[in-house]
Amino acid sequence: QVQLTESGPGLVHPSETLSLTCTVSGFSLTGYSVYWVRQPSGKGLEWMGRMRYNGDTSYNSALKSRLSISRDTSKNQVFLKMNSLQTDDTGTYYCTRASYDWGQGVMVTVSS
Amino acid sequence: DIQMTQSPASLSASLEEIVTITCKASQGIDDYLSWYQQKPGKSPQLLIYDATSLADGVPSRFSGSRSGTQYSLKISRPQVDDSGIYYCLQSYSTPYTFGAGTKLELK
Repeated sequence: QVQLTESGPGLVHPSETLSLTCTVSGFSLTGYSVYWVRQPSGKGLEWMGRMRYNGDTSYNSALKSRLSISRDTSKNQVFLKMNSLQTDDTGTYYCTRASYDWGQGVMVTVSS
Repeated sequence: DIQMTQSPASLSASLEEIVTITCKASQGIDDYLSWYQQKPGKSPQLLIYDATSLADGVPSRFSGSRSGTQYSLKISRPQVDDSGIYYCLQSYSTPYTFGAGTKLELK
């Protein structure tokens, strides 16, 4: 059974760095890509980036200067780090197995 | 980046209608197109992948098609439970891009 679980701080202060973890089970990170997708409250979905099965990464053009995605295959975890957070980064962050299976999402609020 | 223009932004349909939502890609995407349904407070759920393939467990009233660079999601005789927001996603080339979403209300 495929499962993805996002975890991280619910509150981040402006200008700080967001660190999120996606812990997966039921599949191998060396066999499937994992994407990060976010959704500002009341708005649409935004594809943030991808950790490919072979370790390659790709990023949203608008976010790539602030965003980094990495993984630890031994722990079945994919990580997202995004710096210089602002209030419009507030929203729900999802990880997904190549957009087929999704985590429940983690709500992140950027506020002082 | 490939742009996905989704329409309409919202629609209200009866249970007897055929509902059609479209996404037009700014360039060819070789059927690397998927459709999702999202309900309030929930994660998106995959409906259609590779433009026309029905995801596991999705009712057959959902179908996908393509005409040129325009992709369509059709819901035949929708049910009340089909209310929600629908998104398309192109996964032909990175950065992948979503359509803006279509809010469907069943009356």
